[in-house]
Amino acid sequence: AQKITQTQPGMFVQEKEAVTLDCTYDTSDQSYGLFWYKQPSSGEMIFLIYQGSYDEQNATEGRYSLNFQKARKSANLVISASQLGDSAMYFCAMRGSSGSGGGADGLTFGKGTHLIIQP
Amino acid sequence: DTEVTQTPKHLVMGMTNKKSLKCEQHMGHRAMYWYKQKAKKPPELMFVYSYEKLSINESVPSRFSPECPNSSLLNLHLHALQPEDSALYLCASSRRDFTTDTQYFGPGTRLTVL
Repeated sequence: AQKITQTQPGMFVQEKEAVTLDCTYDTSDQSYGLFWYKQPSSGEMIFLIYQGSYDEQNATEGRYSLNFQKARKSANLVISASQLGDSAMYFCAMRGSSGSGGGADGLTFGKGTHLIIQP
Repeated sequence: DTEVTQTPKHLVMGMTNKKSLKCEQHMGHRAMYWYKQKAKKPPELMFVYSYEKLSINESVPSRFSPECPNSSLLNLHLHALQPEDSALYLCASSRRDFTTDTQYFGPGTRLTVL
C-alpha cells in the first residue's frame, strides 16, 4: 500500500516570496511516480509537475520545482516568486506499480495543503 | 491540448433517480479514471479503465456503474444513490496506465443527492 503525508494543512505566504510545500511518501514499489496538483476553489485538478522514481535530476516546470530526496522519501514542491493566483489547495500524489489490474495503480493523494498568498 | 471535458457541471438527483455522468477526451489517451472527492478531502480512486477494459474497481458500491463505450468516452451510471454520495466526481485520463503517465483531470461534476 502507498501512503502520502502532507504535514502542512495551511500556509500563509507573502506575495513574491518562495514557498515550500512538504510531501513524504511510503511505498514498497521500486517504480513509482510522484505528482503535484493544484486545486483552486473551482474544483479542477491542475497538473503541476512530475518526478519519476528513477529520475536522478529534480524536475522543474517554470516557477515550480520538485525537491526529490529518494532516501528520505520526500518530494517537496517549491514555488518561486509566489503570485496571488497561486492561492489554492495543493495535493501531492503518488502512483505505484502494484495495480491489481496488472497496470499501474490510480493516484494516491495526500490530504493537501491550503496555500494562501497575501498581498 | 490536455483537455478533459465532463458533463453536467452540476447535478441534483433524488434517491430513486437514474442519471449518468459523462467524460470525454480527444488526446488519444488509453487509460481513464473516475475519482470521488468529498468536501475538504483528497480525491479517492473509484475505477480505472485501460484500453476500454475495467482494470481496477476500488470496491465501489454497485449503485455506481462505469462504462467505457470507446477510447474517448467514459460514463458513470448512477442509480439509487444515498445522500452520502454527494461529492465532486472527477474524471481523468492518461496516455497509458504506467506509473510515468500523467493523469489530466476534467473540471468535475458536483453531485447532490437529496
